[in-house]
Amino acid sequence: DIQMTQSPSSLSASVGDRVTITCQASRDIGTSFNWYHQKPGKAPHLLINDASNLEPGVPPRFSGSGSGTYFSLTISSLQPEDVGTYYCQHYISLPLTFGGGTKVALK
Amino acid sequence: QVQLVQSGAEVKKPGASVIISCKTSGFTFVDYYMHWVRQAPGLGLEWMGMINPKYNHATYSENFQGRLTISRDTSTSTASMELSSLGFEDTAVYYCARGRATVTAHLGNWGQGTLVTVSS
Repeated sequence: DIQMTQSPSSLSASVGDRVTITCQASRDIGTSFNWYHQKPGKAPHLLINDASNLEPGVPPRFSGSGSGTYFSLTISSLQPEDVGTYYCQHYISLPLTFGGGTKVALK
Repeated sequence: QVQLVQSGAEVKKPGASVIISCKTSGFTFVDYYMHWVRQAPGLGLEWMGMINPKYNHATYSENFQGRLTISRDTSTSTASMELSSLGFEDTAVYYCARGRATVTAHLGNWGQGTLVTVSS
């Protein structure tokens, strides 16, 4: 199985801060890679697909980049509604696996 | 609009089985893979398996081989999962999620989640 390693596991930042989360795959997955956001008590929702494509309705302050084994998610200006946990996921092969999550909180 | 509505919370004893349903609407059910993902309390997401409703073909994570059965009812556009031989470690929120037509593993729509508590 492909292992997905996220860092950091948690962070706190102020409104307006630039925030970057990274995810490393245990082998080359090209751009078969998604980011999800989960608010407390809610189901996850798809934020970015194919490493860099924003889902409809996702604000442009979010961006994704990377390919191969190294990926990143950047929030250019953190907003209160961005708190929660972010998960990466590969889909190059089965089983699908997720990263351990990055919990984002407001300072 | 796309909707996935899951059955309600369950409390089960160790060794029992649980069945969770996921009733869908707003799209052509047989055209989209349906996935099951679980999340233990305070932990991350674990993919369990998926089904192609058109051909009734299910694929499972090896972590659940022999214990998990995913099925579908095309007459009611409902996907279901049954997990047997429950242990305390199976206490989790279970989600159904719909794949995309173009990329089956873009989990673009999710159910609200079903809490399963395994307790003696």
